[in-house]
Amino acid sequence: QITLKESGPTLVKPTQTLTLTCTFSGFSLSTSGVGVGWIRQPPGKALEWLALIYWDDDKRYSPSLKSRLTITKDTSKNQVVLTMTNMDPVDTATYYCAHFFYDILTGPPPFDYWGQGTLVTVSS
Amino acid sequence: EIVMTQSPATLSVSPGERATLSCRASQSVSSNLAWYQQKPGQAPRLLIYGASTRATGIPARFSGSGSGTEFTLTISSLQSEDFAVYYCQQYNNWPRNTFGQGTKLEIK
Repeated sequence: QITLKESGPTLVKPTQTLTLTCTFSGFSLSTSGVGVGWIRQPPGKALEWLALIYWDDDKRYSPSLKSRLTITKDTSKNQVVLTMTNMDPVDTATYYCAHFFYDILTGPPPFDYWGQGTLVTVSS
Repeated sequence: EIVMTQSPATLSVSPGERATLSCRASQSVSSNLAWYQQKPGQAPRLLIYGASTRATGIPARFSGSGSGTEFTLTISSLQSEDFAVYYCQQYNNWPRNTFGQGTKLEIK
């Protein structure tokens, strides 16, 4: 059974750096094809993909946010960490982490398992 | 960036009736299209991937169709638990996945 859970601060001040942790179970990030992505959703708005990391430590970022994002993994702890610098009120959103499995034979995958999300508010 | 446009924004349907939701891509995404269901306060739940394949545990009343730029999610006989917001997502331009704005399915 695959589960993921996001954790981190609920309130950050403008210009601060946000650090979110995704702790997962039911899979290993050392298994070929496995990865974890981060997606956010501002209140009442659509979902936005932010970043993802593969089992081999390859990393990809949303072009519009690339300069502010860093994604890392700790395979031994079953965790993926996302940092976002220079936070702004427009970054207020629920942040989700999600599992994917990239099979070379079948091509790109959807996000098949999601965490419950964590609401981050940016305000002074 | 591939823009995903969903219609309608809100759909009012009576329980037991059929619901048809649409999703259009600004350019071809082949069959790399997923549908998610989201209920208030919950994470999105994968319903359909590959445009037409139901995810594990998804009831047969959910079906997806389409390819290229036009896609449809059909719920054949609405149950009370189906009233939620539905999002489409293209992952053809991996990893630059993009999502639609969502369709709210409400009880008529």
